[in-house]
Amino acid sequence: AQSVTQLGSHVSVSEGALVLLRCNYSSSVPPYLFWYVQYPNQGLQLLLKYTTGATLVKGINGFEAEFKKSETSFHLTKPSAHMSDAAEYFCAVRRSGSARQLTFGSGTQLTVLP
Amino acid sequence: NAGVTQTPKFQVLKTGQSMTLQCAQDMNHNSMYWYRQDPGMGLRLIYYSASEGTTDKGEVPNGYNVSRLNKREFSLRLESAAPSQTSVYFCAGSAGTVSYEQYFGPGTRLTVT
Repeated sequence: AQSVTQLGSHVSVSEGALVLLRCNYSSSVPPYLFWYVQYPNQGLQLLLKYTTGATLVKGINGFEAEFKKSETSFHLTKPSAHMSDAAEYFCAVRRSGSARQLTFGSGTQLTVLP
Repeated sequence: NAGVTQTPKFQVLKTGQSMTLQCAQDMNHNSMYWYRQDPGMGLRLIYYSASEGTTDKGEVPNGYNVSRLNKREFSLRLESAAPSQTSVYFCAGSAGTVSYEQYFGPGTRLTVT
């Protein structure tokens, strides 16, 4: 079975500070991992993904994430927060099976303080 | 290229009423999904369609039915709405290629009174 745990339902950072959003997963198949961002009253938008290959993946808007198999983690980072980064972030892992399903974490609300 | 579209954007129903949420995609996705989003619970899969002509239950299918009308369209029906179905509903599609990523519509905000 697959599951995702996002540590911290709410994270606040100051503008210009490092953003670190934590995601740990469990998976019975080689993990494919995803981060999505949701702005208020919008759908989810793919930020970045890891499937195979390089463990440090870069996404849109300056975000990146590192896959660490030994720690079963896929934390999302951005060196310098911007006010426009305020949103909810979801980590997801693929589920086994043929229907291309994902299991989502419960989300982390990021607040950026001026 | 509109991606994934959903109608309506907002809906208020009375308990016991029925309605159908519509979803269409122009991205040639093989697989389509319906989720509901509730505060603090992430996204929960209601139903999915791995390919045209097939549908299957997800984690929370009770009270819902779906139809994969063709490759483009995947509708979600509430036969007798209940207050517990107040939620935001998202449709998503996946190309069915190796990487599994899904692309989401803008959502339908449903309130059942």
